[in-house]
Amino acid sequence: RKEVEQDPGPFNVPEGATVAFNCTYSNSASQSFFWYRQDCRKEPKLLMSVYSSGNEDGRFTAQLNRASQYISLLIRDSKLSDSATYLCVVTTSNDYKLSFGAGTTVTVRA
Amino acid sequence: GAGVSQSPSNKVTEKGKDVELRCDPISGHTALYWYRQSLGQGLEFLIYFQGNSAPDKSGLPSDRFSAERTGGSVSTLTIQRTQQEDSAVYLCASSLHPGANVLTFGAGSRLTVL
Repeated sequence: RKEVEQDPGPFNVPEGATVAFNCTYSNSASQSFFWYRQDCRKEPKLLMSVYSSGNEDGRFTAQLNRASQYISLLIRDSKLSDSATYLCVVTTSNDYKLSFGAGTTVTVRA
Repeated sequence: GAGVSQSPSNKVTEKGKDVELRCDPISGHTALYWYRQSLGQGLEFLIYFQGNSAPDKSGLPSDRFSAERTGGSVSTLTIQRTQQEDSAVYLCASSLHPGANVLTFGAGSRLTVL
């Protein structure tokens, strides 16, 4: 079983729509969680950290469910510029290796 | 430097040749990571450095792969006797310290083995 699994999508949504997707992780000892964004043929960049109580950053909301071992990302009022692949990242407190999911592709259309 | 620099950006080589990929991390970042990403795949962890030492080499696919870091700065990933399955984008990232968890990636080195 992969350490981090994501629905690859693609999620095709119109501008202004809300899109949400999850990521599951297998290691119950995981402590830190992140969403990275990767544009086509570019390097990944940090989008946001995910905190236990959930957190927002503008139009983006991240949630963590430890009991079911998943994190989620919700994008409100989608913009064309949100089109990208979103990578789920998980790490444990004693292991500095960050485990990446294969990514969820989102395409926002005009 | 201002960002993580990787070279070459593109490398085409013949099967069986050796290649060296270079990473120059952000100045002052003590942690350095190598990942590789095959087409349409996620990032596969290769190796992590703390300073010049590599506490975790668990991701290196075979003994054809090696990496070193000198002066707590530049790192070189070497692939000997390249195979076609080595074709991928090799991404280097650095962070201020290992526990920081937030990685800044370079633009990657795209390796194609013919």
